[in-house]
Amino acid sequence: NAGVTQTPKFQVLKTGQSMTLQCAQDMNHEYMSWYRQDPGMGLRLIHYSVGAGITDQGEVPNGYNVSRSTTEDFPLRLLSAAPSQTSVYFCASSITTGGGETQYFGPGTRLLVL
Amino acid sequence: GEDVEQSLFLSVREGDSSVINCTYTDSSSTYLYWYKQEPGAGLQLLTYIFSNMDMKQDQRLTVLLNKKDKHLSLRIADTQTGDSAIYFCAESRGTGRRALTFGSGTRLQVQP
Repeated sequence: NAGVTQTPKFQVLKTGQSMTLQCAQDMNHEYMSWYRQDPGMGLRLIHYSVGAGITDQGEVPNGYNVSRSTTEDFPLRLLSAAPSQTSVYFCASSITTGGGETQYFGPGTRLLVL
Repeated sequence: GEDVEQSLFLSVREGDSSVINCTYTDSSSTYLYWYKQEPGAGLQLLTYIFSNMDMKQDQRLTVLLNKKDKHLSLRIADTQTGDSAIYFCAESRGTGRRALTFGSGTRLQVQP
């Protein structure tokens, strides 16, 4: 299994540009989520999905859209990039077991908005 | 304010024990987690504890939970230079909400 993969690893955008951050998992996990990580702060939840066709907003959803057409893929779209969206973005998928919610994180996408 | 709080930095000598502390505010938290993040990498789950437990030990890692004080700690025995990383405490708040709420992370520096 490749686990959770994210592309690209690094991206530079100009203010106002749009782009899609890709996330895929091959573990057949129903639950997937996107977080952003900013210096001195923990990860903050942007959007999440409990299964194909179902998405919901997290703590900081403004400026981002998501869709979940398949179990495997959960892309994050920036509609009109702003400098405040400069951050490291992590995708995660998770499975509920007797030991709770085990989340698996991708390696991250580092985004710089000029 | 933050729901999950951690101190920013901890420095220890190689071979000593490290204790990383975390406080949380939501008494409905069901599971509490410790994640490790090495430079330029994603988060790696180290261990977790269910809210009805007081302690959990896993090799060099010991997690202590004081539910009354909403205090969680991670003890790393015989700390090695490879343990240098940022450690995040996180909580989940029941089956209806599977996302995690993270602290801001504690940077552990291990000096040889």
